[in-house]
Amino acid sequence: DTEVTQTPKHLVMGMTNKKSLKCEQHMGHRAMYWYKQKAKKPPELMFVYSYEKLSINESVPSRFSPECPNSSLLNLHLHALQPEDSALYLCASSQLESQETQYFGPGTRLLVL
Amino acid sequence: QKEVEQDPGPLSVPEGAIVSLNCTYSNSAFQYFMWYRQYSRKGPELLMYTYSSGNKEDGRFTAQVDKSSKYISLFIRDSQPSDSATYLCAMSANSGGYQKVTFGTGTKLQVIP
Repeated sequence: DTEVTQTPKHLVMGMTNKKSLKCEQHMGHRAMYWYKQKAKKPPELMFVYSYEKLSINESVPSRFSPECPNSSLLNLHLHALQPEDSALYLCASSQLESQETQYFGPGTRLLVL
Repeated sequence: QKEVEQDPGPLSVPEGAIVSLNCTYSNSAFQYFMWYRQYSRKGPELLMYTYSSGNKEDGRFTAQVDKSSKYISLFIRDSQPSDSATYLCAMSANSGGYQKVTFGTGTKLQVIP
């Protein structure tokens, strides 16, 4: 099973709202990632978790707050977003020993009004 | 100069054609080379990955890496309409104990029945 699931598939939120994106994998991967992808652009790395600890934050604004409750789950909490934050948010996971082979979820398409 | 260059296309071919997708790179530290397929509004799907120079075949797909020329290719034989998607090359290098993945901008492929 090489499946990464993400919920919700679509999300529309206002700039004052608080919402959360969820990601789950059951492949036993101990590295999990959040990426942001704008239209016709490649994915941009936001955060990396290894062994449920945040190991990389690519200078992401604090209005994005990641959380890794356990080895299978990854959340991204959103607060006070801007319209330019509208994008496809992708979760990925990999084995720590082979971080180059990342498996992506289908993404959450976010629209900030 | 971008670390990874990829022709954005679009590339239109008739069904059954052999497709060649290419990327060049400038960073000699890249160790792993991947190809992802991304259908519209979906997450990237890992197609193939290689470590060394040479060819790797999987069904209708062949990945080729030439480290001396800093050039990688993906060949698709007997292309099908279902192959219509955006193809992203990706490469990774060790960065502080983490395999940092750099994506190309993607080539949009359309296979016409």
